[in-house]
Amino acid sequence: RKEVEQDPGPFNVPEGATVAFNCTYSNSASQSFFWYRQDCRKEPKLLMSVYSSGNEDGRFTAQLNRASQYISLLIRDSKLSDSATYLCVVKSGGGADGLTFGKGTHLIIQP
Amino acid sequence: GAVVSQHPSWVICKSGTSVKIECRSLDFQATTMFWYRQFPKQSLMLMATSNEGSKATYEQGVEKDKFLINHASLTLSTLTVTSAHPEDSSFYICSTSLSGNFGYSPLHFGNGTRLTVT
Repeated sequence: RKEVEQDPGPFNVPEGATVAFNCTYSNSASQSFFWYRQDCRKEPKLLMSVYSSGNEDGRFTAQLNRASQYISLLIRDSKLSDSATYLCVVKSGGGADGLTFGKGTHLIIQP
Repeated sequence: GAVVSQHPSWVICKSGTSVKIECRSLDFQATTMFWYRQFPKQSLMLMATSNEGSKATYEQGVEKDKFLINHASLTLSTLTVTSAHPEDSSFYICSTSLSGNFGYSPLHFGNGTRLTVT
């Protein structure tokens, strides 16, 4: 089983719709979780951290389910500019390393 | 604004040549810098961890003699791809954390360097 797994997509979603995707992780001792956004041929940029109680930032909602070992990202009222690849990042273990990146979920918002 | 500055953004070189990529932390001191590589449609893979004033730590399978890392100052880390070959063509990205608490603080990435070896 891969350490961090995401559905690669692409997800084709009409503008204004709500879309959600998950990311599963294999290490139950994982400590921190993040969603990053990566545009084509660009560096990843932090979208939001994922907190145990779930958190919201504008149209974006992130949730963590430790029992089932997955995190989710929900995007409401999707915009054309939301088209990107969304990377799930999981931190396991201590020290200054141990970050594992998923391959990303490709989202395409259609007009 | 940008936290980490990486240059060059892209480079095309001939097989056998060496390419140096620079990564600078802006307005803060980065004692640790991570170097990643990303092939098309693949996840970011950690290549090495660069520590200021000491030797870099390489991940398994990454040749330290081929990917030379220098972190001589608190604001600059460099990655040199020596004797580049077409299979080294990839997207190279550096990153660090503002707080140094890598377990809980997100990473900030440089803008990446797209290397094409012909």
